[in-house]
Amino acid sequence: DGGITQSPKYLFRKEGQNVTLSCEQNLNHDAMYWYRQDPGQGLRLIYYSQIVNDFQKGDIAEGYSVSREKKESFPLTVTSAQKNPTAFYLCASSIVNFPTGELFFGEGSRLTVL
Amino acid sequence: AQSVAQPEDQVNVAEGNPLTVKCTYSVSGNPYLFWYVQYPNRGLQFLLKYITGDNLVKGSYGFEAEFNKSQTSFHLKKPSALVSDSALYFCAVRLDSTGGFKTIFGAGTRLFVKA
Repeated sequence: DGGITQSPKYLFRKEGQNVTLSCEQNLNHDAMYWYRQDPGQGLRLIYYSQIVNDFQKGDIAEGYSVSREKKESFPLTVTSAQKNPTAFYLCASSIVNFPTGELFFGEGSRLTVL
Repeated sequence: AQSVAQPEDQVNVAEGNPLTVKCTYSVSGNPYLFWYVQYPNRGLQFLLKYITGDNLVKGSYGFEAEFNKSQTSFHLKKPSALVSDSALYFCAVRLDSTGGFKTIFGAGTRLFVKA
């Protein structure tokens, strides 16, 4: 079945450590997105990418980095510069440049900083 | 600024009663509006969308939404609620932005359906 796979589902990190969250899709979608979800704040866009080797900052990009070396993969690195990284992270994809296209989401990765 | 608002943090309804989850938007140009549902510790699932045409849009699981341009609203509705409808609901709008389209979300409304 086609879909989006995020890993790990749960991740614990010590302060000062970088961590990388994986996102892989087999939907043949060109566009991929990373969102952060905090209670009561909805989803906030971190980074998005419309094509390979290109990505754009979203509303809360500080302290995060991404790469898009392959169409299927869009990993997110949470760096030590992110002041409050504990959150639920969601990856999504859609058909590129298609404003009427809905997003397809992975199951999320919950990051906890100890 | 372009935005989506969900004025209610929580909606409570009895099973079998109709439900409404409210959403208003502020965007320039034509709005492309969406509703998503999220169950605990899961990703979001698409319910329905408004692009153009008929103001009443039908979606998954018996949900529908009414687009009202004059009130800039896109309320989610269901004629008869089920306990299994209890979840977190997000209204969203798709915007043209640098490097392509992006989607912004409301803060979410938690729906409780009581048996």
